[in-house]
Amino acid sequence: GQNIDQPTEMTATEGAIVQINCTYQTSGFNGLFWYQQHAGEAPTFLSYNVLDGLEEKGRFSSFLSRSKGYSYLLLKELQMKDSASYLCAVKTGGGNKLTFGTGTQLKVEL
Amino acid sequence: SAVISQKPSRDICQRGTSLTIQCQVDSQVTMMFWYRQQPGQSLTLIATANQGSEATYESGFVIDKFPISRPNLTFSTLTVSNMSPEDSSIYLCSVEKGTGQETQYFGPGTRLLVL
Repeated sequence: GQNIDQPTEMTATEGAIVQINCTYQTSGFNGLFWYQQHAGEAPTFLSYNVLDGLEEKGRFSSFLSRSKGYSYLLLKELQMKDSASYLCAVKTGGGNKLTFGTGTQLKVEL
Repeated sequence: SAVISQKPSRDICQRGTSLTIQCQVDSQVTMMFWYRQQPGQSLTLIATANQGSEATYESGFVIDKFPISRPNLTFSTLTVSNMSPEDSSIYLCSVEKGTGQETQYFGPGTRLLVL
């Protein structure tokens, strides 16, 4: 089966850096995605990793280690608007199916 | 990316009735997906809808309960049939776009409450 684990909740301070981890055990791997979802809204795409290493995009970076089944999302210079749920999703199988983790609820405080 | 709209945005329905949710994309896409997100939960894939073929359903979801249509490359519908309160959820459609880095983009969702 597919298993994707993330911490349920995290709290961080405005201006700080936070790292959200994701570990996965899946049958097949075609890439790992991070999405941001604000309450009551649809998920929005943040990043995509298919090769090992770090992908940087502004204040957001995502890292992947396929051998360890591990990824993290790094958020720098945190802002209050970054308070949201962050979803890790793995693409598996020939049908491009996405399997989502349970999501990490991030709260940014003053 | 893709601009995706869903109708209705929300609805309150009675037990035993059916609701059809529409998903419209601003460009042609091969693959469309339907997800369910129950309160406080993450997203669960219901089915994959490709134009010109039967939808592919995930374990735990069946065509009689969630019939799907995909008449063309920009439109799909999901029907939630014979509803019960357990079907209260957010239903989201998504599409896959990109060249070499296919990414799924999500519609705004349909909030369904079944009484």
